[in-house]
Amino acid sequence: DAKTTQPNSMESNEEEPVHLPCNHSTISGTDYIHWYRQLPSQGPEYVIHGLTSNVNNRMASLAIAEDRKSSTLILHRATLRDAAVYYCIPPGNTDKLIFGTGTRLQVFP
Amino acid sequence: DSGVTQTPKHLITATGQRVTLRCSPRSGDLSVYWYQQSLDQGLQFLIQYYNGEERAKGNILERFSAQQFPDLHSELNLSSLELGDSALYFCASSVEEGNEQFFGPGTRLTVL
Repeated sequence: DAKTTQPNSMESNEEEPVHLPCNHSTISGTDYIHWYRQLPSQGPEYVIHGLTSNVNNRMASLAIAEDRKSSTLILHRATLRDAAVYYCIPPGNTDKLIFGTGTRLQVFP
Repeated sequence: DSGVTQTPKHLITATGQRVTLRCSPRSGDLSVYWYQQSLDQGLQFLIQYYNGEERAKGNILERFSAQQFPDLHSELNLSSLELGDSALYFCASSVEEGNEQFFGPGTRLTVL
């Protein structure tokens, strides 16, 4: 099964950019890369997904390495509301989402 | 608000009992997923239904079962409850299989 590797935790100051890395070295050619996050006391929330090229939406940007073995979720200006656990979903599991331990992001005022 | 509703929000029951958790997907979503989140196991996929049919199973115990009804709402039935079943149970829905999933607020189950 595909797996991902993420740092356990990261910290940021408010209004600074945050780069959350993920390694998914076992990715296959047609697998999408999905990111979800879970805010405190809430259910998980879809953030973004991509295949090969970089993607942007209102929440974040996703930078995908050329070999697709890693990706970086970018929050351009972190807010206190962005404090959450961010999950990089193992590619190839878009239905049976597998949530690892994720990266816990702390944002300081 | 994701548009997915789950009832009840909280449920406290005793070991050996049976409970039913209910999920209403977003309007138009055909696929429903159930997940369990516990402190020791993290977030785990349990089961998926698509338009009334079971499509995928994860690490769902035999004591647990689910179904999706013609109006697309889903129920997760947990029986012979044990202390270790205490967890948050999330339902999610998506318009089609493989699309992004929208999660409900969860049902917190406490087994005493």
